[in-house]
Amino acid sequence: AQSVTQLGSHVSVSEGALVLLRCNYSSSVPPYLFWYVQYPNQGLQLLLKYTTGATLVKGINGFEAEFKKSETSFHLTKPSAHMSDAAEYFCAVRIGGFQKLVFGTGTRLLVSP
Amino acid sequence: DAGVTQSPTHLIKTRGQQVTLRCSPKSGHDTVSWYQQALGQGPQFIFQYYEEEERQRGNFPDRFSGHQFPNYSSELNVNALLLGDSALYLCASSPGTGTRNEQFFGPGTRLTVL
Repeated sequence: AQSVTQLGSHVSVSEGALVLLRCNYSSSVPPYLFWYVQYPNQGLQLLLKYTTGATLVKGINGFEAEFKKSETSFHLTKPSAHMSDAAEYFCAVRIGGFQKLVFGTGTRLLVSP
Repeated sequence: DAGVTQSPTHLIKTRGQQVTLRCSPKSGHDTVSWYQQALGQGPQFIFQYYEEEERQRGNFPDRFSGHQFPNYSSELNVNALLLGDSALYLCASSPGTGTRNEQFFGPGTRLTVL
C-alpha cells in the first residue's frame, strides 16, 4: 500500500533562510504527489503537485519541489522564508485511478525573526 | 465564487450520540470527499461521493456513513460516537473523479466528543 513519510515533525528556520521540508513516499506504481499547507484553524491549501512531466514543480508563494524517483522523494523547498510561511505542511500521494489522498503526518514550520 | 463550505464550524457531543456534518462543494464541482484529521495527524480518507453514490471508502467502520444530494452537497453521519472520533472533519470537492483533478478543501468542522 502507498504511504508517505515526512521527516521531522517540526522545522525551525530564521526569516530569510532556506526552507527544506522532507517527504518520502512508498509506491509500486508512478505516484501523483502533492504538498498542502494548513494555517491554524483552516483547511488545506494546495501548494503544488506533480503528476507527470517535468520533475521540478513550482507552486504558489515561492515554493517548489522536485520529484526524484530514484530516491522516492518529493522534498519541498523555498529559498527565503517569510514569517507568513509559518504553518503546518502536509505531503500527500495519490495512486492509480482513484482520488483518495494518503497524507503524511505533517511538518510544522516555525519561522523566527 | 464561494469555495467549499462546511457547517457547523464547531460541535460538541457526548459518547453514544449521533452527529451530522454538512458540506457544500465549490461551484462547478460534483465530487465530494471526506477526511478525518485527528490532532497532530495528517488527514485520513473516509469516503468519496459522486453521482449520489459512495465510490471509494477508506478504513473506517460502518458507523461512518454519508449521503450526497442532487445539488452535489453532502453529509457525513457518525453514529454511536466514541471519544476517538474527536477530530477535524474536512470536506474536499473536485470536478469529477479524475485523478488529475485537484481537490479543494473546506475549513473543516471541529468535533469534540466528551
